[in-house]
Amino acid sequence: AQSVAQPEDQVNVAEGNPLTVKCTYSVSGNPYLFWYVQYPNRGLQFLLKYITGDNLVKGSYGFEAEFNKSQTSFHLKKPSALVSDSALYFCAVRGLNDYKLSFGAGTTVTVRA
Amino acid sequence: NAGVTQTPKFQVLKTGQSMTLQCAQDMNHEYMSWYRQDPGMGLRLIHYSVGAGITDQGEVPNGYNVSRSTTEDFPLRLLSAAPSQTSVYFCASSFFGQNTGELFFGEGSRLTVL
Repeated sequence: AQSVAQPEDQVNVAEGNPLTVKCTYSVSGNPYLFWYVQYPNRGLQFLLKYITGDNLVKGSYGFEAEFNKSQTSFHLKKPSALVSDSALYFCAVRGLNDYKLSFGAGTTVTVRA
Repeated sequence: NAGVTQTPKFQVLKTGQSMTLQCAQDMNHEYMSWYRQDPGMGLRLIHYSVGAGITDQGEVPNGYNVSRSTTEDFPLRLLSAAPSQTSVYFCASSFFGQNTGELFFGEGSRLTVL
């Protein structure tokens, strides 16, 4: 069975500092990996995805993620965090021929001014 | 574009009652899915569909029923509500194939079962 782990419930950073949100996954075969963001009382919004190719994926709002096959990780990064990046972030995975998307428990990011 | 529309946004039920959460999308997406979100547990897949007439179970299907008679609509039925079904429910859709997983979400439906 596929699964996603987000080891940190909360990440706190100062505005302007780098932001990293960690994600590790388990799936049979090659993974399709995704990051989503949820602002308070809203639905989730797609940020970026990895399917194949370059291990560094760029997405919306200045976010990027690095796929590491040997460590089965897909960490989300932003070089300079903004207060408006404060939200709940979810990592998700599915297998190549599996259309069930599995989500992690989420990481709450707080960026202080 | 309306995107993914869920109704109702809020609902309170008594144990044993039934209800249907409606979901409609106007993006011609083949893939549609229902998730529930509970604190500390992320999103868990209830049911999904890869096209009209085709549905399948996700991680937590018990107590829920779905049908997909058209591409646009994917209603979720609670057959006999239980307090454990108190949750926020999200409908999501995407194109089918390599882009499955690049989901568009509705705003959510908050359900309380007393």
